[in-house]
Amino acid sequence: KAGVTQTPRYLIKTRGQQVTLSCSPISGHRSVSWYQQTPGQGLQFLFEYFSETQRNKGNFPGRFSGRQFSNSRSEMNVSTLELGDSALYLCASSWDALDADTQYFGPGTRLTVL
Amino acid sequence: GEDVEQSLFLSVREGDSSVINCTYTDSSSTYLYWYKQEPGAGLQLLTYIFSNMDMKQDQRLTVLLNKKDKHLSLRIADTQTGDSAIYFCAVPSGNTPLVFGKGTRLSVIA
Repeated sequence: KAGVTQTPRYLIKTRGQQVTLSCSPISGHRSVSWYQQTPGQGLQFLFEYFSETQRNKGNFPGRFSGRQFSNSRSEMNVSTLELGDSALYLCASSWDALDADTQYFGPGTRLTVL
Repeated sequence: GEDVEQSLFLSVREGDSSVINCTYTDSSSTYLYWYKQEPGAGLQLLTYIFSNMDMKQDQRLTVLLNKKDKHLSLRIADTQTGDSAIYFCAVPSGNTPLVFGKGTRLSVIA
């Protein structure tokens, strides 16, 4: 069974630009969660989608948004990039994240903002 | 909200046992998780324990849970150089699927 895939693996952008990251969950999983990992703040929850609906959102500004498609694939978008958005963005899939189901992580997308 | 604390560094000799500790604040968590992250990689699920268990053993890994003290530990027996990585304790909390500790960097000395 294929694991969670994320594309692209690496991205370099400049301040003010926007970026879209993609996540394909494990087949059959309907929940996709996104996390930001930085050396200073560690791993922080961004948002969670289930059946195309955002159910929960972490404490991030509105520049961070996402969506989920009918095949459970998810994208996250960051607009008006800032230097502090440089991070590893991880997505995780599960049957239902809010049912405490085990989350499986992808390899991440490393975003560098110059 | 949930707070998960871990010590940041641990250094052990190859062949010794490693014990990584974690404390948490949300006592309603149903499952508690350990993830491993190698350099440049995502998070690999190592093991988990259900909140009504005290101990779980999985090959070289032993998880101990003390619910009264809200303390979770991961023991790695016969630690190998390939075990060098960052280990994260993670706990579901309310509407947040997982709240992570800052991670413990395990260094194994040959």
